[in-house]
Amino acid sequence: EAQVTQNPRYLITVTGKKLTVTCSQNMNHEYMSWYRQDPGLGLRQIYYSMNVEVTDKGDVPEGYKVSRKEKRNFPLILESPSPNQTSLYFCASSFWGQRGGTDTQYFGPGTRLTVL
Amino acid sequence: GQNIDQPTEMTATEGAIVQINCTYQTSGFNGLFWYQQHAGEAPTFLSYNVLDGLEEKGRFSSFLSRSKGYSYLLLKELQMKDSASYLCAVSHAGAGSYQLTFGKGTKLSVIP
Repeated sequence: EAQVTQNPRYLITVTGKKLTVTCSQNMNHEYMSWYRQDPGLGLRQIYYSMNVEVTDKGDVPEGYKVSRKEKRNFPLILESPSPNQTSLYFCASSFWGQRGGTDTQYFGPGTRLTVL
Repeated sequence: GQNIDQPTEMTATEGAIVQINCTYQTSGFNGLFWYQQHAGEAPTFLSYNVLDGLEEKGRFSSFLSRSKGYSYLLLKELQMKDSASYLCAVSHAGAGSYQLTFGKGTKLSVIP
């Protein structure tokens, strides 16, 4: 089954304790992305990757890191989480679109993170 | 920067037709997407417009006018299960970046 998986689905942690949220896709997509979703603010792009070893900042990258060592995996790293990073996080992947932009994004199930 | 506007909330009656508008100001426009998101779930793809005009897919249609920076999603024969948030998203590129920017979403409530 074609899918994007994220782990963990739920996480409660404390300020400053490094964590990693994993994301994996089995559709051979080039483009992968992380979003956070907060009430009243909608989905905001954190980081994206156009292919292996190619990553770039989205609109809200502060406090996050990513890596793309393999095509299927795109982990999100919070080196020192803070309470303002409490949010619902989505990973997504897609092929390249016909005009060079992103094609239809397929989303993972989401990770609900609480930082105390 | 990119700016996408859509109404925050709408209410419509089961069986009716509803139109959700989206306006955008962006540079490097590559296409416009509509996603549906039920509460607590991931967004799912509804439609994609890259050229001006209407795209029809069953009960859902989406329209794009690039010159006006305007799109709408049309939902016909509304069902209770259509109660969800509808997200407008613009794909844009420039200076080596390729991003997808979302509007804040329109929460649609379908009432009997």
